[in-house]
Amino acid sequence: KQEVTQIPAALSVPEGENLVLNCSFTDSAIYNLQWFRQDPGKGLTSLLLIQSSQREQTSGRLNASLDKSSGRSTLYIAASQPGDSATYLCAVFKGGSEKLVFGKGTKLTVNP
Amino acid sequence: GAVVSQHPSWVICKSGTSVKIECRSLDFQATTMFWYRQFPKQSLMLMATSNEGSKATYEQGVEKDKFLINHASLTLSTLTVTSAHPEDSSFYICSAFHGGNYYNEQFFGPGTRLTVL
Repeated sequence: KQEVTQIPAALSVPEGENLVLNCSFTDSAIYNLQWFRQDPGKGLTSLLLIQSSQREQTSGRLNASLDKSSGRSTLYIAASQPGDSATYLCAVFKGGSEKLVFGKGTKLTVNP
Repeated sequence: GAVVSQHPSWVICKSGTSVKIECRSLDFQATTMFWYRQFPKQSLMLMATSNEGSKATYEQGVEKDKFLINHASLTLSTLTVTSAHPEDSSFYICSAFHGGNYYNEQFFGPGTRLTVL
């Protein structure tokens, strides 16, 4: 059974700092991995999707890497801003009729 | 990117009544949609997988007679909470599965906050 773990559960940083969020998964046979952002009381916004054949994806100040063989992904946020404050979730998809398996998220607070 | 909407965004109802929540894929067709619920400060819990034109597949422990799912078209799935009770109060989120150019990516709706009095 696939299990996804996110560390740390919460993170508080000063504005401008670069930071890394971690995601690990137990079954490396995945089709893709997604990083999401969730603001309080809101739905999920997809940030980055990495296919199993890819090593990383970038969007603006965000960079996500994937090491499938070791079951790890990281989300790097450069020059953090207060608007980045949210809960970040990673989820893995095995393909076919399988479902997304989510981690419990990392709650990020960026202090001005 | 692809857009998924939900309606209503929030609803308050009395115990014993039924509530219907709609999930629409606005600019793509989705043969598969998913319904999740989320309790405060917890991650999403998958309730069921909704397939267009066929019966939904429910996760273990989810009462299919209480949470009725209908996926009548390629852009609409509905979740009806029947005979709602206060313990059904939660945040319900749907997602739609987009194949094609989006590499089997899931797009999520904004969620529906249900409060049962």
